[in-house]
Amino acid sequence: KNEVEQSPQNLTAQEGEFITINCSYSVGISALHWLQQHPGGGIVSLFMLSSGKKKHGRLIATINIQEKHSSLHITASHPRDSAVYICAVRHFNFGNEKLTFGTGTRLTIIP
Amino acid sequence: NAGVTQTPKFQVLKTGQSMTLQCAQDMNHEYMSWYRQDPGMGLRLIHYSVGAGITDQGEVPNGYNVSRSTTEDFPLRLLSAAPSQTSVYFCASGDRQPPLPNYGYTFGSGTRLTVV
Repeated sequence: KNEVEQSPQNLTAQEGEFITINCSYSVGISALHWLQQHPGGGIVSLFMLSSGKKKHGRLIATINIQEKHSSLHITASHPRDSAVYICAVRHFNFGNEKLTFGTGTRLTIIP
Repeated sequence: NAGVTQTPKFQVLKTGQSMTLQCAQDMNHEYMSWYRQDPGMGLRLIHYSVGAGITDQGEVPNGYNVSRSTTEDFPLRLLSAAPSQTSVYFCASGDRQPPLPNYGYTFGSGTRLTVV
């Protein structure tokens, strides 16, 4: 079982819809990252959070440490939001900090 | 402020050839790392460094070598390229002391490597 699981793997929605992408993890973490990878391949860090909720424009990220679960929400989705969204958890493995990535959720927003 | 600069963007190698992927950051980050991204798999850590002169292995280090002689640079060397090393490679850096409020890591734009 992967330490970081994302769902769904693929998501297609109409422009304007509210989007939710989920991330579950099985290890104790110090922080969780949400990343965005555009079709060109570049990866951008969207959020890093260790508790509660953060908001940046139309993006909202939440985390529930007890349930080992995080969600990324996009309000009023737009075709330019089409990308792969990756969840990554920061945790310690034999005393060394490690970043473990999910396989990503491919989001397509149709005009 | 260029962030993390990776070169080259694309490379085709023949089996057995060696090459170096370059990574440089101008943010004075202590932490630098190399990942590979393969279809259907999450990014996997190859090697990382927590500061100049200090490197360590990640999940998939075999066939790769790194060094960190300066804070800015963290080159990844392929010693003898194999088709299994065909992948997209990302370099990332981070300031861990303390973590930035919203952005923990900065990634390079990636190197698409094909080994034939």
